[in-house]
Amino acid sequence: QQQVKQSPQSLIVQKGGISIINCAYENTAFDYFPWYQQFPGKGPALLIAIRPDVSEKKEGRFTISFNKSAKQFSLHIMDSQPGDSATYFCAASGYGGATNKLIFGTGTLLAVQP
Amino acid sequence: GAGVSQSPSNKVTEKGKDVELRCDPISGHTALYWYRQSLGQGLEFLIYFQGNSAPDKSGLPSDRFSAERTGGSVSTLTIQRTQQEDSAVYLCASSLNGFTEAFFGQGTRLTVV
Repeated sequence: QQQVKQSPQSLIVQKGGISIINCAYENTAFDYFPWYQQFPGKGPALLIAIRPDVSEKKEGRFTISFNKSAKQFSLHIMDSQPGDSATYFCAASGYGGATNKLIFGTGTLLAVQP
Repeated sequence: GAGVSQSPSNKVTEKGKDVELRCDPISGHTALYWYRQSLGQGLEFLIYFQGNSAPDKSGLPSDRFSAERTGGSVSTLTIQRTQQEDSAVYLCASSLNGFTEAFFGQGTRLTVV
């Protein structure tokens, strides 16, 4: 129940295309859903995050879509660029108890071809 | 410092030796995580400290691994009798609390030869 399932494991997108990465969770106590971006040789860094009181959050070319009833959330990268090539991790956490720590998905390696 | 600092950045050790990895979290952050990342793999949770609560050690792979956090600040991850399969990047992250943004350090690349 503490898992966050992420797919796909890897993704190849043409420059200018839309990259979509999906995550699903089981624990309804989760109420914070961030996405992290990791470049080779670097630690992950927060990209964008959402709380369940909204269904969508957009920051520039990056959008999180959140479906509370389905317990799913996804990252959409519009107009994907070669510089977006990185590993993306979704995560979830909640307030208090067993959910009071970030649980990460398994990661998606994105390659944007020029 | 402004961010999470980890030292050393690289460590090469002989099989069977003990190693200590250090993490200096962001000042005031009560939550601290350790993760392990093998080449091209995901983030393997190791241990989580939150304030004065007992640490969540559920991710430690064996009793050769231990961690402590002194004074609610600096944390040390110790690996005893290192094995080749321990070779990985060890990442530390801190958070203001357990349910907001976590900031990662650059990691310590451990190589056991």
